[in-house]
Amino acid sequence: EADIYQTPRYLVIGTGKKITLECSQTMGHDKMYWYQQDPGMELHLIHYSYGVNSTEKGDLSSESTVSRIRTEHFPLTLESARPSHTSQYLCASSPLGRGGYNEQFFGPGTRLTVL
Amino acid sequence: KQEVTQIPAALSVPEGENLVLNCSFTDSAIYNLQWFRQDPGKGLTSLLLIQSSQREQTSGRLNASLDKSSGRSTLYIAASQPGDSATYLCAVPTSGTYKYIFGTGTRLKVLA
Repeated sequence: EADIYQTPRYLVIGTGKKITLECSQTMGHDKMYWYQQDPGMELHLIHYSYGVNSTEKGDLSSESTVSRIRTEHFPLTLESARPSHTSQYLCASSPLGRGGYNEQFFGPGTRLTVL
Repeated sequence: KQEVTQIPAALSVPEGENLVLNCSFTDSAIYNLQWFRQDPGKGLTSLLLIQSSQREQTSGRLNASLDKSSGRSTLYIAASQPGDSATYLCAVPTSGTYKYIFGTGTRLKVLA
């Protein structure tokens, strides 16, 4: 079973607030990912990292930012939340492995509602 | 550009049936393919990972096959149960990056 944690699980917040969604994994995985998913819709990659001090933007434009100061920690920050940011945010991690591609493990998700 | 398609989009079956979910991808140069299950409002649970050198993988009542040349993978679920009701997603890594492309999913409902 994967050890990847996300907090908070649910967050309701007002427009304009700064928020940080936490993601931690205890497996020592090099690669970490943030996805955004609306109910019943597909996943969209918004950020990823393949190691400490490396971050890349994903395929879906996002106003959020991420950091990777420690291997196990990959927080996502929204400087000023807006109703359009209402969604589910999923964090995932994967070992680098042979050939660079390996199994992805997901956290339980954070459901964000911005009023 | 890699595209991943899953058919059918939704499926409803009576309990006990064997069923097949399909995943198609346009670029056959993949390293692996992963099948996931997602319950409503939850994260994704990894079911099976098939490496490009493998043709199939089994876990309990689940069997996944991979045919790279035709750009297809199937997930076979034997003796379906109401607890199998969920959305099933497949994903492949994109060549030259560390990113994964996900299919649109098949929403499965198993009726008691």
